[in-house]
Amino acid sequence: DTAVSQTPKYLVTQMGNDKSIKCEQNLGHDTMYWYKQDSKKFLKIMFSYNNKELIINETVPNRFSPKSPDKAHLNLHINSLELGDSAVYFCASSQESHGTGHEQYFGPGTRLTVT
Amino acid sequence: KQEVTQIPAALSVPEGENLVLNCSFTDSAIYNLQWFRQDPGKGLTSLLLIQSSQREQTSGRLNASLDKSSGRSTLYIAASQPGDSATYLCAVLYGNNRLAFGKGNQVVVIP
Repeated sequence: DTAVSQTPKYLVTQMGNDKSIKCEQNLGHDTMYWYKQDSKKFLKIMFSYNNKELIINETVPNRFSPKSPDKAHLNLHINSLELGDSAVYFCASSQESHGTGHEQYFGPGTRLTVT
Repeated sequence: KQEVTQIPAALSVPEGENLVLNCSFTDSAIYNLQWFRQDPGKGLTSLLLIQSSQREQTSGRLNASLDKSSGRSTLYIAASQPGDSATYLCAVLYGNNRLAFGKGNQVVVIP
């Protein structure tokens, strides 16, 4: 059974388009994340949601908008796509930490290519 | 600034040798440290998680140590195999569930 799943796995689109990436976790976790891995393979957090509430919002352009319809889903919507948005986007989830550290589980990634 | 550094960036070893991968972090106020494995074009697989109160964790041929005061962690892989070829990522968890990643150690085990 897949713990953290993402769709689509690959996404190729043109500049200026709007696209969404979906993420679902079946682990019963309260916290979900979006990470971006750039062309140099460096992973950096973008957003974190806990029980549908935005916790972390790094300096990400306003064109990126996360949406959490329930605590098992965290979708990422990107408006007006730019060439620099090309990257692999990873979703992750963990238990709510309450000051202690819980393991984060990652999805398989979505490779976004903007042409 | 919370920075995580992994040295060396890339290494090749003959099969059977032990692997030693190093990770250092600038801010020692961590909750935990995770080692991940990433195969080309794939997602991240969690290998070991060390809580800030722990000194080491072991799983099979893998052993990870943590020295929080000096801001260092080391991942040891005993008797390396070609299947161990991958990129190994060190990630440090800070407050508010903020996970900071290093750039990875790219490992090639030569048969």
